[in-house]
Amino acid sequence: GAVVSQHPSRVICKSGTSVKIECRSLDFQATTMFWYRQFPKQSLMLMATSNEGSKATYEQGVEKDKFLINHASLTLSTLTVTSAHPEDSSFYICSARDQGLAGDRGQFFGPGTRLTVL
Amino acid sequence: KQEVTQIPAALSVPEGENLVLNCSFTDSAIYNLQWFRQDPGKGLTSLLLIQSSQREQTSGRLNASLDKSSGRSTLYIAASQPGDSATYLCAVFSNDYKLSFGAGTTVTVRA
Repeated sequence: GAVVSQHPSRVICKSGTSVKIECRSLDFQATTMFWYRQFPKQSLMLMATSNEGSKATYEQGVEKDKFLINHASLTLSTLTVTSAHPEDSSFYICSARDQGLAGDRGQFFGPGTRLTVL
Repeated sequence: KQEVTQIPAALSVPEGENLVLNCSFTDSAIYNLQWFRQDPGKGLTSLLLIQSSQREQTSGRLNASLDKSSGRSTLYIAASQPGDSATYLCAVFSNDYKLSFGAGTTVTVRA
């Protein structure tokens, strides 16, 4: 149980285009999902907290107009990188909080999306 | 701001040896602590979650301890196997449920 999927796993785009990344909790409902960014050889950096039915909360230094987050249902959150530039190239990982009937089981992570902006 | 430190940064052991991975955090007011495994180019796999009221959790060959007052957690992996080679991340939940990650310990188990 507690499986989180991400799509696409890899995307290459031209500078100036927008890219949408989907994060789905497959076997549980997640009122809260998180988006992280990971640079090579570094740990994960939290970008924003996505709450179902409300606006995302962004961490300091993260541009909310550039990284649009939508959490339209209890199993789906999307991250759209708008007007992408080469410096946005990174590994983006989402996670979902499992607060099921058995109690809080922590966060479960998707497999990540490798974004390369040319 | 919560700071999470993992020592050592890298570890190489022969197959069969026990592994000890250390994690320390600066703010003891934590909600939970979670250990993850990350393989190169992949997402994170949850290994163990320790509630703040617990002292340890066990799953198979894995055992994680938590000493909140001293700001420490240790992950033990018994009888290591080459398949255990990965980066292990310690993450601490603050009371607003945000995770703070350590930089990880990269483990290599030699056959």
